[in-house]
Amino acid sequence: GNSVTQMEGPVTLSEEAFLTINCTYTATGYPSLFWYVQYPGEGLQLLLKATKADDKGSNKGFEATYRKETTSFHLEKGSVQVSDSAVYFCALSDFTGANSKLTFGKGITLSVRP
Amino acid sequence: EAGVAQSPRYKIIEKRQSVAFWCNPISGHATLYWYQQILGQGPKLLIQFQNNGVVDDSQLPKDRFSAERLKGVDSTLKIQPAKLEDSAVYLCASSLGLQGVEGYTFGSGTRLTVV
Repeated sequence: GNSVTQMEGPVTLSEEAFLTINCTYTATGYPSLFWYVQYPGEGLQLLLKATKADDKGSNKGFEATYRKETTSFHLEKGSVQVSDSAVYFCALSDFTGANSKLTFGKGITLSVRP
Repeated sequence: EAGVAQSPRYKIIEKRQSVAFWCNPISGHATLYWYQQILGQGPKLLIQFQNNGVVDDSQLPKDRFSAERLKGVDSTLKIQPAKLEDSAVYLCASSLGLQGVEGYTFGSGTRLTVV
């Protein structure tokens, strides 16, 4: 079955530090890949997505590249801000027939200190 | 555009009681999902609707959970009777198309505590 593995957290960084959050996946087909973010007290929000190999998703300074050869979709940001403190979830959707559910990783908490 | 609306935001019940959650998806979104998010874990799909038909309910504990989507718009998720392990955030999401490539929009969730 499909699965998503995220690096263990939590992660604490100083403002303006470089961020990498690792994500690898297992899927039987050709999934679309997503990063979702959950700010404190809020619902899940789509951060970025990629639908095929070598696609790069980007938003708000975050980037992730769909790497089929390594089955990875690592999230990066060159300079984090305090406002980036949140929980980040990697997810995939493998469109098998009518089923389009998202399979999520466990999530990782990012804290950015001033 | 208005987002996915869920109510209530919080609910505390005793074990063996029943509870119901309500979701109103984005207007025009044909596909609706209910996810369960246990603390420290990623959300897990409970049920997926396409209009008012069930597409996937393989992870729904049918002995105690039920869901319906009358008229293909609003949806309710019910738990009866509740167990301690049902304590979680219940998230509703919707997408425009069946396959959700364009992304899903999530509601803020209902936080359920079973004591």
